[in-house]
Amino acid sequence: QKEVEQDPGPLSVPEGAIVSLNCTYSNSAFQYFMWYRQYSRKGPELLMYTYSSGNKEDGRFTAQVDKSSKYISLFIRDSQPSDSATYLCAMKSYSGGYQKVTFGTGTKLQVIP
Amino acid sequence: DAGVTQSPTHLIKTRGQQVTLRCSPKSGHDTVSWYQQALGQGPQFIFQYYEEEERQRGNFPDRFSGHQFPNYSSELNVNALLLGDSALYLCASSSTGGSQPQHFGDGTRLSIL
Repeated sequence: QKEVEQDPGPLSVPEGAIVSLNCTYSNSAFQYFMWYRQYSRKGPELLMYTYSSGNKEDGRFTAQVDKSSKYISLFIRDSQPSDSATYLCAMKSYSGGYQKVTFGTGTKLQVIP
Repeated sequence: DAGVTQSPTHLIKTRGQQVTLRCSPKSGHDTVSWYQQALGQGPQFIFQYYEEEERQRGNFPDRFSGHQFPNYSSELNVNALLLGDSALYLCASSSTGGSQPQHFGDGTRLSIL
């Protein structure tokens, strides 16, 4: 079983739709949760970074963490064609100066005008 | 404020050759991590450098080695290249302490013929 599971998609939605992206994990040591956006031929760009359970909002993006269920989500409101990219969830454990970051496989999103 | 920069952007090598990839971290960052991203997959952790020493290592053979310089820049070296080493190699930097997120460069795309 992989430590982080993410549906690879592809996910295709019409412009203006609400998008929901999800990841599950098995390692209870994960303390920090990230969402990255990766355009073709580019490196991952940090979108959201959270520590505790609950919601964090930034513009059209909302990150949700449920540590009890080991489940994280990213919601995109009013999706735009420019949101078309691969979205990677990532999780980090940190102890004694050592950090371990594990990524999901990424979900490819296409927003159709 | 320059972000993480990597060079070269694209490289073509043949099996058995050696390659060196370079990374300059984001200003203010002192920790550099290297990742390998195969097509359609999430980044896989190779190793991390801090204070010019390899701090952690992922599940990669010792054909993969690295170095960090006093100005925090870093190199990734891969010896005896295999076809399976074809991938996007990403560098990520962060500041000291596990509470800070990593920021990525756009990577070096390595093709092995």
